[in-house]
This record gives sequence, C-alpha cells and structure tokens, in this order.
Amino acid sequence: EDQVTQSPEALRLQEGESSSLNCSYTVSGLRGLFWYRQDPGKGPEFLFTLYSAGEEKEKERLKATLTKKESFLHITAPKPEDSATYLCAVAGGGGADGLTFGKGTHLIIQP
Amino acid sequence: KAGVTQTPRYLIKTRGQQVTLSCSPISGHRSVSWYQQTPGQGLQFLFEYFSETQRNKGNFPGRFSGRQFSNSRSEMNVSTLELGDSALYLCASSVGGRTYNEQFFGPGTRLTVL
Repeated sequence: EDQVTQSPEALRLQEGESSSLNCSYTVSGLRGLFWYRQDPGKGPEFLFTLYSAGEEKEKERLKATLTKKESFLHITAPKPEDSATYLCAVAGGGGADGLTFGKGTHLIIQP
Repeated sequence: KAGVTQTPRYLIKTRGQQVTLSCSPISGHRSVSWYQQTPGQGLQFLFEYFSETQRNKGNFPGRFSGRQFSNSRSEMNVSTLELGDSALYLCASSVGGRTYNEQFFGPGTRLTVL
C-alpha cells in the first residue's frame, strides 16, 4: 500500500524566511510524485511533477526535488501570498488506487 | 482555456437521501478522477473514468458510484447518505488515462449531510 507522510503539519515563517517542506513516501514503483497548493475553499492547484530521483523543478520562489525516499519543496524568500496548504501525492506502480495524498503542510507567511 | 467545473458548489442533504454531483473536465481531457476530502482523512481516491469506463476504484463502499459520458463529463452518485459522507468532493481531469499524468482539480462540491 502506497503511503505519503508530510512534515511539518504546520509552519509559520516570517516574510523572506526561506524553508523546506518534506514529503516522505513508500510506493511500489514510483510513476510520479506531484506537488499541489490548496487555498481555503478551493481545489488543489497543480505545481510540479517529478518522475525520477535527482530531478528538480522550479517555479518562481518554489523548487521541488526528489530522492528515492522523499521529496522536498523549498520555498525561497516567501511572501504572504505563498500562504496555503501544500499537498504531496504519489502515483504508484500498481496504478490501481489513483493518487495517494499526504495530509499536507499548512504554511503561513507573516508580513 | 476553461478549467474543470463542478456543480453544484454546495449541497445540503439529510441522512438516507441520495445525491448526484457533476464534473466537466478541461476540453480535450479524457480522464476524470474523483476524490473525497475531509479534515481527518485528507484527500482520498474514489474512482477514475477513462473513455466511459471505470479504470480504477478506491476503497469506498458501493454506495459511491460514478459514470462518464461520451463527452468526458462525469457524474458521481452517493446513495443512502450517512453523516460521515459530509466532505468536499473534488473532481480532477487529465489528458490521458494514466495516473502519472498531471491531474487538474476543480473547485469541489461541498456536501453537508444532516
């Protein structure tokens, strides 16, 4: 059974204070790891897909990296508008169970 | 390009009733997946449809069902509603039929069961 654990559950940062969010996963044959951002009352917004260990992707202040056991979402010099819940999900080798999501990291950026 | 749309956005039902939710995917997307999101369990996979066929199914009781039409629009139905079915129901579409394609989510339908 695929499993995804995200840490920390919540994180409060000052504007401009860089940090990283962790996503640890257990999956039989990773077919893709996905990062989403979710604002209150809205559906998740797609950010990145990573397919193999060593892969990195960047978008504005966000950078996602992948190893064989975990992924990190690095946030550089965050702004208040980066406040959201960040979700990590995996697609396993079986493919029979859709995406498996972690519980998310609730990020608050204080001005 | 229009995103994924879901209707209705909010629903209030009572125990024992049934409900139908609708999802229109992004134009050109042929795969539609449904998820249930609750504060305790997070996002959980319900089922996936591709070309009008259910390809994958999550671990939910048979009260939860769905279908997909020839234009890729999808509906999900929940019969004999229980209090625990209160949740945000999310629909996601992707280009192909494989779960490793990027999935794009709609705004969700907030279902409250009284």
